[in-house]
Amino acid sequence: EPEVTQTPSHQVTQMGQEVILRCVPISNHLYFYWYRQILGQKVEFLVSFYNNEISEKSEIFDDQFSVERPDGSNFTLKIRSTKLEDSAMYFCASSGVSGGAGELFFGEGSRLTVL
Amino acid sequence: DQQVKQNSPSLSVQEGRISILNCDYTNSMFDYFLWYKKYPAEGPTFLISISSIKDKNEDGRFTVFLNKSAKHLSLHIVPSQPGDSAVYFCAARDLHGSSNTGKLIFGQGTTLQVKP
Repeated sequence: EPEVTQTPSHQVTQMGQEVILRCVPISNHLYFYWYRQILGQKVEFLVSFYNNEISEKSEIFDDQFSVERPDGSNFTLKIRSTKLEDSAMYFCASSGVSGGAGELFFGEGSRLTVL
Repeated sequence: DQQVKQNSPSLSVQEGRISILNCDYTNSMFDYFLWYKKYPAEGPTFLISISSIKDKNEDGRFTVFLNKSAKHLSLHIVPSQPGDSAVYFCAARDLHGSSNTGKLIFGQGTTLQVKP
């Protein structure tokens, strides 16, 4: 069964360092998303991406964050200068059909720990 | 800004009985409602969804009910099994713009424990 894959599964970094989280969405999907979940809190929307551009972003997704689809398969989230409060589980998701029944398919997540 | 709320942080039921998880929302423009199941250290897994024009959708042991007038939905699991023990997230889809890249807005989650 097709699945969304994410790397790394866990990354530890020092505050102020740049981090890139990588995702390979399901191959025929067109819509891509990043979400995050701070420990014990709800899953929060960060950004959606379609047709090689950001479709929508949340207040959390400030200038320190960027996304890119550098080739036909990868979708990356970059945090330029990490802060302690960026520590969270980051989930990539994709969906295939405009409209549809709404379901997003999530990866296993990348745990980011900022020290 | 809590557009989707799950007021019960946890629920414990006996194996074989019914589990009922509840969710409330505030935005009447949501067009789909979904339930996701999540195990620790894994991503959310889609369970079942319902269109805002329906009031019930059933898939095996899982049924979702939507009460639009009350802005309330619920997930029924019958019969509950120990393997159902997980965190259940209610989510609502908010369409944006012409590209229909609808984002999901999640509730806080309810931890279900099914005891053998």
